[in-house]
Amino acid sequence: GQNIDQPTEMTATEGAIVQINCTYQTSGFNGLFWYQQHAGEAPTFLSYNVLDGLEEKGRFSSFLSRSKGYSYLLLKELQMKDSASYLCAVRDWRDDKIIFGKGTRLHILP
Amino acid sequence: DAGVTQSPTHLIKTRGQQVTLRCSPKSGHDTVSWYQQALGQGPQFIFQYYEEEERQRGNFPDRFSGHQFPNYSSELNVNALLLGDSALYLCASSLAGTRGPTGELFFGEGSRLTVL
Repeated sequence: GQNIDQPTEMTATEGAIVQINCTYQTSGFNGLFWYQQHAGEAPTFLSYNVLDGLEEKGRFSSFLSRSKGYSYLLLKELQMKDSASYLCAVRDWRDDKIIFGKGTRLHILP
Repeated sequence: DAGVTQSPTHLIKTRGQQVTLRCSPKSGHDTVSWYQQALGQGPQFIFQYYEEEERQRGNFPDRFSGHQFPNYSSELNVNALLLGDSALYLCASSLAGTRGPTGELFFGEGSRLTVL
């Protein structure tokens, strides 16, 4: 089976940097996704990692270490609109399912 | 380019009733996955449909069933509703066999089901 762990909640200040960690266990790893979900809305795609290393996209970066089963999402220059839940999800090559963690609710303080 | 559309957006049912939720995938997508998201939780995988067949299934009872039509749209049916079935039901579409960043799921806005 699969197991995905991420912190339940985090709080950060506007303009600062925050790192949201995700650890996973799966026998058939085939890529890790990060999604953003504002309250009452659908999740939207942020990033994808399948090889080790850092992927940067504007204010958001995502890192993956396959040997450690670890990823993080780095948000820079935080804005109030970044207040949302951030979902870590892993795809399994054996069945092509994408399984989500429980999400991290990020609160941004002015 | 039409995204994923779901209907209805909100509905209220009573215990024991049955419900049908509908989803139209993003244009060009052929695979539909359904997720259940309880308040404050991440989406839980229910099942995935491709070529009108259920291809994968999560840990949900047989009360949850689905269908995919030739135009790739899909339905989720839940029988004998329980209070615990109250949740946001998300439909996500993708293109089978696509890997990398373009293989991500595109989500609809969801159908919020309340069971009383």
